[in-house]
Amino acid sequence: DAMVIQNPRYQVTQFGKPVTLSCSQTLNHNVMYWYQQKSSQAPKLLFHYYDKDFNNEADTPDNFQSRRPNTSFCFLDIRSPGLGDAAMYLCATSSSSSGGRPIQYFGAGTRLSVL
Amino acid sequence: SQKIEQNSEALNIQEGKTATLTCNYTNYSPAYLQWYRQDPGRGPVFLLLIRENEKEKRKERLKVTFDTTLKQSLFHITASQPADSATYLCALEGADSNYQLIWGAGTKLIIKP
Repeated sequence: DAMVIQNPRYQVTQFGKPVTLSCSQTLNHNVMYWYQQKSSQAPKLLFHYYDKDFNNEADTPDNFQSRRPNTSFCFLDIRSPGLGDAAMYLCATSSSSSGGRPIQYFGAGTRLSVL
Repeated sequence: SQKIEQNSEALNIQEGKTATLTCNYTNYSPAYLQWYRQDPGRGPVFLLLIRENEKEKRKERLKVTFDTTLKQSLFHITASQPADSATYLCALEGADSNYQLIWGAGTKLIIKP
């Protein structure tokens, strides 16, 4: 089945130690998103790619970076994680060619803990 | 700025009854509104999309209404089952679109046997 896969499901890192989260998709969607979601809160968009075009949200800290080497893969790099970065990180995809609106397909998420 | 409000208190419903969740929005007139289901520790899953010119949309036991005058959407689950217990989020297409959604924080629904 076509899907969005995030690895790892759980990540524990130390304060200040860089961490990379990965996302892959077999849907061949051209739009990919990274969200941060904390308990009982709305998903917060960090950035998204429309094809190769990178779109950074204005309030996304510089500590967060992203790479999309090809259509299928996207990475979230947190350069110096702080305690406040502990959260669920969600990757999602959508297609601009469907003729419809941006229905988003999510991975299962990566739960990041910062010690 | 655009804002979405969903009831932050959990909604407890007896099995077999109809559950109704509310999504209110301000400072915007979206062309589309979407509803997603999110289970604990998982990503949201798309359920239904309704357009501004549609009053109502149905899918099996689910029904969504969209009142652009009240700036409100209602999400109904009829004949509710314990398996329907989850958090339900509504999302609006952002003003600048660019394939972004503005999300509500969701309402937790608990269906009691």
